[in-house]
Amino acid sequence: EAQVTQNPRYLITVTGKKLTVTCSQNMNHEYMSWYRQDPGLGLRQIYYSMNVEVTDKGDVPEGYKVSRKEKRNFPLILESPSPNQTSLYFCASSLTGTSGYYEQYFGPGTRLTVT
Amino acid sequence: KNEVEQSPQNLTAQEGEFITINCSYSVGISALHWLQQHPGGGIVSLFMLSSGKKKHGRLIATINIQEKHSSLHITASHPRDSAVYICAVPYSGGSNYKLTFGKGTLLTVNP
Repeated sequence: EAQVTQNPRYLITVTGKKLTVTCSQNMNHEYMSWYRQDPGLGLRQIYYSMNVEVTDKGDVPEGYKVSRKEKRNFPLILESPSPNQTSLYFCASSLTGTSGYYEQYFGPGTRLTVT
Repeated sequence: KNEVEQSPQNLTAQEGEFITINCSYSVGISALHWLQQHPGGGIVSLFMLSSGKKKHGRLIATINIQEKHSSLHITASHPRDSAVYICAVPYSGGSNYKLTFGKGTLLTVNP
């Protein structure tokens, strides 16, 4: 089954304790992206990757790191989480191409609470 | 940055009604996404379109690149269409993959 998986689905942590949220896709997609969703602010893009070893900042990259060492995985790293990073996080992937535009497939979301 | 405005913010309809949700943006783009998010959070991509019109079942999406405007229509609405509908466009005139989003339209369809 084609899917994007995220782990963990729920996480409560404390300020300053480094954490990683994993994202994996089994569709051989070049493009992967991380978003956060907050009430009143909607979805905002954190980082995206066009392929292995190619990453770029989205709208709100501060406080986050990413890496793309393998095509299927795109982990989101919070080196020193703060309460303002409490949010619902989504990972997504899609094909890319200059000749067309492709729909994104979203993971189920990770609800992160930083106390 | 591309400014995205969706209207209305909230929409309540009776089952069977024709629904229109609008999305306007400030910077010219080459493609636009429509997403659906049901209560409980999962996000599904409905359409990605760069011109004209696309149809999938009872859903129709149109885009007017010159007027910087897109609409999502739902014909014969059903309670299962109740969800938040979100449009997304490129952040600026550059990459199609750096995106910015509208705040969403909450649709409630009553039986």
